[in-house]
Amino acid sequence: DAKTTQPNSMESNEEEPVHLPCNHSTISGTDYIHWYRQLPSQGPEYVIHGLTSNVNNRMASLAIAEDRKSSTLILHRATLRDAAVYYCILRSQIPETSGSRLTFGEGTQLTVNP
Amino acid sequence: DTAVSQTPKYLVTQMGNDKSIKCEQNLGHDTMYWYKQDSKKFLKIMFSYNNKELIINETVPNRFSPKSPDKAHLNLHINSLELGDSAVYFCASRRTGGVGETQYFGPGTRLLVL
Repeated sequence: DAKTTQPNSMESNEEEPVHLPCNHSTISGTDYIHWYRQLPSQGPEYVIHGLTSNVNNRMASLAIAEDRKSSTLILHRATLRDAAVYYCILRSQIPETSGSRLTFGEGTQLTVNP
Repeated sequence: DTAVSQTPKYLVTQMGNDKSIKCEQNLGHDTMYWYKQDSKKFLKIMFSYNNKELIINETVPNRFSPKSPDKAHLNLHINSLELGDSAVYFCASRRTGGVGETQYFGPGTRLLVL
């Protein structure tokens, strides 16, 4: 599986935007970029995903570099509830090669200060 | 209303015992997974079933045996429990061909082997 690299930790203040970076220089043309997060003592939850174009949903925005070698998850106004570990994951479009498995890295621990 | 549920939530047991963890999803999904999150917080896939058929079987000791009686259930039986089996076990499910092949995770089962 192609690997992703994320900072171990980031801090933000409440109600400020947060930009969480992810490098994936070995991404293949068939890989989707997924973001999940894990709140304390909970299972991971889906945040957003994209292939080439930037994406927005009610939780966040995903900005994907033109060469697709990096992406940024944007939380527009961080709340205390957004404190979690954020995982950037590459998922192959080809289920036969991966079973649509998710390979989690270490993620970024986001701390939100009141 | 819980989409993916696991029982029990906590499990404390002695080394050498045999135990089972159960998972149920009411989302109508056809694929289910077991993940293990160890003390260092790494999440690793263990097994995946699609329509009751095993499709992913990572390098897991054969003391671990998954069983899928139907598409909505995936249970994990562990024989001869060892100290190193202590971890949080997460069940997840997805619908083949669903948007982003998004996986939905359960709340986790915290296993402590003494």
